[in-house]
Amino acid sequence: AQSVAQPEDQVNVAEGNPLTVKCTYSVSGNPYLFWYVQYPNRGLQFLLKYITGDNLVKGSYGFEAEFNKSQTSFHLKKPSALVSDSALYFCAVRDGARPGRRALTFGSGTRLQVQP
Amino acid sequence: AAGVIQSPRHLIKEKRETATLKCYPIPRHDTVYWYQQGPGQDPQFLISFYEKMQSDKGSIPDRFSAQQFSDYHSELNMSSLELGDSALYFCASASGSVTGELFFGEGSRLTVL
Repeated sequence: AQSVAQPEDQVNVAEGNPLTVKCTYSVSGNPYLFWYVQYPNRGLQFLLKYITGDNLVKGSYGFEAEFNKSQTSFHLKKPSALVSDSALYFCAVRDGARPGRRALTFGSGTRLQVQP
Repeated sequence: AAGVIQSPRHLIKEKRETATLKCYPIPRHDTVYWYQQGPGQDPQFLISFYEKMQSDKGSIPDRFSAQQFSDYHSELNMSSLELGDSALYFCASASGSVTGELFFGEGSRLTVL
């Protein structure tokens, strides 16, 4: 079975400081990893994904994520946080060992609060 | 660019009533997914369709059913509604390979009274 863990319910950071939102995963095959952001009462917006290749993936709005196979992690990062980054962030995984267009499994979400 | 369209955006029903949610995927996307997100919860996968056939099944209650039509739009039918069915229901679509990301609609908020 595929699963994702986001150990922090909330992350607080001051504007201009770097931010990290943590994610670890569990799959039986190769992991396909995704980050989404959700604003209140809105749908999930895709930020970035890791499929293969370079462990550092760059995405939308200045976000990036680092894939670490040995630690089974895919942490989301941004060098300088903005107040407008305050939102709910979801990590998701699809197990590459399972055939077909399988659904993504989401983590429990991490609320990012950026203080001015 | 065209996005995933869901309707209605808001729906209020009484217990034991039925509800139907509609989803129009992004043009040329061949796969549709339905997710349920309860208050303060992560999205839970319900069911998906690829080329109008059910492709994957998650935690969809027996009271719920779904289908994808010839024009690729999908409908989620919910019967004998319970208070616990109150949630945001998201539809997402995707195209291409198994590595592709899902594109989500804005969701349909169902409130069961």
